[in-house]
Amino acid sequence: ETGVTQSPTHLIKTRGQQVTLRCSSQSGHNTVSWYQQALGQGPQFIFQYYREEENGRGNFPPRFSGLQFPNYSSELNVNALELDDSALYLCASSLGLRQETQYFGPGTRLLVL
Amino acid sequence: AQSVTQLGSHVSVSEGALVLLRCNYSSSVPPYLFWYVQYPNQGLQLLLKYTTGATLVKGINGFEAEFKKSETSFHLTKPSAHMSDAAEYFCAVTTNTGNQFYFGTGTSLTVIP
Repeated sequence: ETGVTQSPTHLIKTRGQQVTLRCSSQSGHNTVSWYQQALGQGPQFIFQYYREEENGRGNFPPRFSGLQFPNYSSELNVNALELDDSALYLCASSLGLRQETQYFGPGTRLLVL
Repeated sequence: AQSVTQLGSHVSVSEGALVLLRCNYSSSVPPYLFWYVQYPNQGLQLLLKYTTGATLVKGINGFEAEFKKSETSFHLTKPSAHMSDAAEYFCAVTTNTGNQFYFGTGTSLTVIP
């Protein structure tokens, strides 16, 4: 059984650019959630995908978008990057909508200059 | 809606002393409660979780937490601190029908030799 993996581990972008972060779910999990963790803060919910459909969204602007693929892997896309987007982005997978099965990946650290 | 409050953003204990990290939650429905640990530049590692059943939950590395509904608390304890326990700890709440975790702002634990 493989855990949740994310790529890349680190990324540096400049303001205004676009970025794509990737996540592979734990084996058997069909739900993916994305979180943003700013420095010194707790993770904040961005959105969740269940069976390739968005299933809830936090207080993030539309320039944060996502996809889930048939194999349940997922992408987080951020357009028009801002300095405040610098953060650790965490992906978590779960079995269906059973929150208690959720496990987190190691994260992608994004720095926007 | 759910929320979590972690009292004390920084806690220092001597090696071998009791660790007590406080977490209070708010939830209009029965909660699922979690404690995560985060080491520098790493993702979230699940320490323990409460969903239903026994209110005293034992986790990894000697940690345990007790769900007290009357006090809306889920404090994390460890009888004897070890140097390797120094890290950031996050309490989180969700529900069996929710689609996201709500995290506290974290408690940084320092262990003094």
